[in-house]
Amino acid sequence: QKEVEQNSGPLSVPEGAIASLNCTYSDQGSQSFFWYRQYSGKSPELIMFIYSNGDKEDGRFTAQLNKASQYVSLLIRDSQPSDSATYLCAVTSGGYQKVTFGTGTKLQVIP
Amino acid sequence: EAGVTQFPSHSVIEKGQTVTLRCDPISGHDNLYWYRRVMGKEIKFLLHFVKESKQDESGMPNNRFLAERTGGTYSTLKVQPAELEDSGVYFCASSQEHYGYTFGSGTRLTVV
Repeated sequence: QKEVEQNSGPLSVPEGAIASLNCTYSDQGSQSFFWYRQYSGKSPELIMFIYSNGDKEDGRFTAQLNKASQYVSLLIRDSQPSDSATYLCAVTSGGYQKVTFGTGTKLQVIP
Repeated sequence: EAGVTQFPSHSVIEKGQTVTLRCDPISGHDNLYWYRRVMGKEIKFLLHFVKESKQDESGMPNNRFLAERTGGTYSTLKVQPAELEDSGVYFCASSQEHYGYTFGSGTRLTVV
């Protein structure tokens, strides 16, 4: 079992719709959860992080965390073509901030 | 604020040669990480420096890989001798607290 699992996609949504990206993780001791966006040929860029159960909103982005289910998601409202990228879920465990990444979900926003 | 800088951006070397990758973290960031992404796979952790000390090097594939961080500033990752399976994108990242990394733009290594 992979430590961080994501559906590789592609996930296609029409412009203006809500994109829902999901991630599960295997280590119950995971403490911090991150979403990175990576455009093709570019480096990952942090867009959201969450530590506590519940929702965290930042602009059009909402991260949701459910530690009991070991599940974290990212919602993108009013999706734009510029949101088309690969979204990487990442988690940290332990005190030294080692981050484990999922393989990423490719999102395509169709104009 | 300057970001994390990596160079070279691309490197093509022959099997058996040596390559050295360099990373300059954001000034003041004690934590420096090396990651690698092989085609089609997830980004994999290689090692973590706190200042000049190796905190965790559990991800280093084998003893052909040597990482150093001189004086707690920039870091180098040397691959000697390089093998075909070492091809991939090598990312460096730095952080200060628990707010996620800032990644460099990566070095694309191709071993032929």
